[in-house]
Amino acid sequence: EAGVVQSPRYKIIEKKQPVAFWCNPISGHNTLYWYLQNLGQGPELLIRYENEEAVDDSQLPKDRFSAERLKGVDSTLKIQPAELGDSAVYLCASSFQNTEAFFGQGTRLTVV
Amino acid sequence: QKEVEQNSGPLSVPEGAIASLNCTYSDRVSQSFFWYRQYSGKSPELIMSIYSNGDKEDGRFTAQLNKASQYVSLLIRDSQPSDSATYLCAVNSPNDYKLSFGAGTTVTVRA
Repeated sequence: EAGVVQSPRYKIIEKKQPVAFWCNPISGHNTLYWYLQNLGQGPELLIRYENEEAVDDSQLPKDRFSAERLKGVDSTLKIQPAELGDSAVYLCASSFQNTEAFFGQGTRLTVV
Repeated sequence: QKEVEQNSGPLSVPEGAIASLNCTYSDRVSQSFFWYRQYSGKSPELIMSIYSNGDKEDGRFTAQLNKASQYVSLLIRDSQPSDSATYLCAVNSPNDYKLSFGAGTTVTVRA
């Protein structure tokens, strides 16, 4: 069974430029999470989807971050414009009805 | 108070010893508890889940849950150098299903 797939694996952009991350969850998983992880810290939730509905986006900086999950499957996380402080690893995870969550490989973003 | 707190590391143990990792959580109604292993530069990998009070064993790993004390732990028996990683505790509450993580404890197994 294929796991959670994320792309790209690495991204280097200049500040003020836009960037987008893509996630394909495990087939049949209705819950999808986007996390941000800084070095030496645990993952911090940005947004959680139940099917196509964003049920928790309280930690998403909505002035520059946006996300969507069309048709309740794939999801895209966007940052526009990126700031130096956005440099981090962006992790996508999925689960079936809030049970065990599995992570993708992550996208390491560097903003210069 | 952070939602999920883990004992600060790093934790260094000799090969063959038991590594003991602790985690406390603030939401009393939490129902699902997970341990993830994260190697440097990699994403978190689920190694244990526990939902009921008591012990759950899986190979060399044992998870222990005490909901009254809001405490969950992970024991790694016969530690191997390949166990060297950061271990993340995660908690899910029916209040928000947020799946909150601790900061992690880094374990180093000395050969």
